Amino acid sequence: GAVVSQHPSWVICKSGTSVKIECRSLDFQATTMFWYRQFPKQSLMLMATSNEGSKATYEQGVEKDKFLINHASLTLSTLTVTSAHPEDSSFYICSGLTGGVYYGYTFGSGTRLTVV
Amino acid sequence: ELKVEQNPLFLSMQEGKNYTIYCNYSTTSDRLYWYRQDPGKSLESLFVLLSNGAVKQEGRLMASLDTKARLSTLHITAAVHDLSATYFCLPSGAGSYQLTFGKGTKLSVIP
Repeated sequence: GAVVSQHPSWVICKSGTSVKIECRSLDFQATTMFWYRQFPKQSLMLMATSNEGSKATYEQGVEKDKFLINHASLTLSTLTVTSAHPEDSSFYICSGLTGGVYYGYTFGSGTRLTVV
Repeated sequence: ELKVEQNPLFLSMQEGKNYTIYCNYSTTSDRLYWYRQDPGKSLESLFVLLSNGAVKQEGRLMASLDTKARLSTLHITAAVHDLSATYFCLPSGAGSYQLTFGKGTKLSVIP
């Protein structure tokens, strides 16, 4: 079945630095990728939707200049957290849209970001 | 704006017992997904319900969808400890990718 490979699984960075998270779709072309953030003991919150070759659409309240999304190919989407702060510490999960009429969502394994 | 209400949010149940988790949503959706999440892990797909009246079963879990009532249920039969996890519902469809998850139900199955 469809697989989304997400890296890194976890990362610790210093405040003020940037971190890039990659999601690769294996065995399918993810024309659309969704990025979520999940704080401890909470549900997933959609941050943005990216379509290959076009600018991402951000949800209300998500800073587009802070969370840079690039979806330059059909198999790779990246999220860069710029000038990270401790409050950005969270679990980030990507999800690729699969299928046509019977579409579904294939989730990456998630990235635990800790900003110190 | 799509609103998704999932209840209960916390469920502690004894092994061998049955229980049902409910997922209500506010706007038209033509399909619904159920996911499981273990601590520190991403989501694992359990079921996708594609039409009104759809029922799917896998092991001790059975999911159903009533699009007219905007309600889905996840029924647990004879719970075992391995089912301990957080379960999320995700209504979707109706011409757009409305991606609002329920708040999740944290299930703890105790001996």
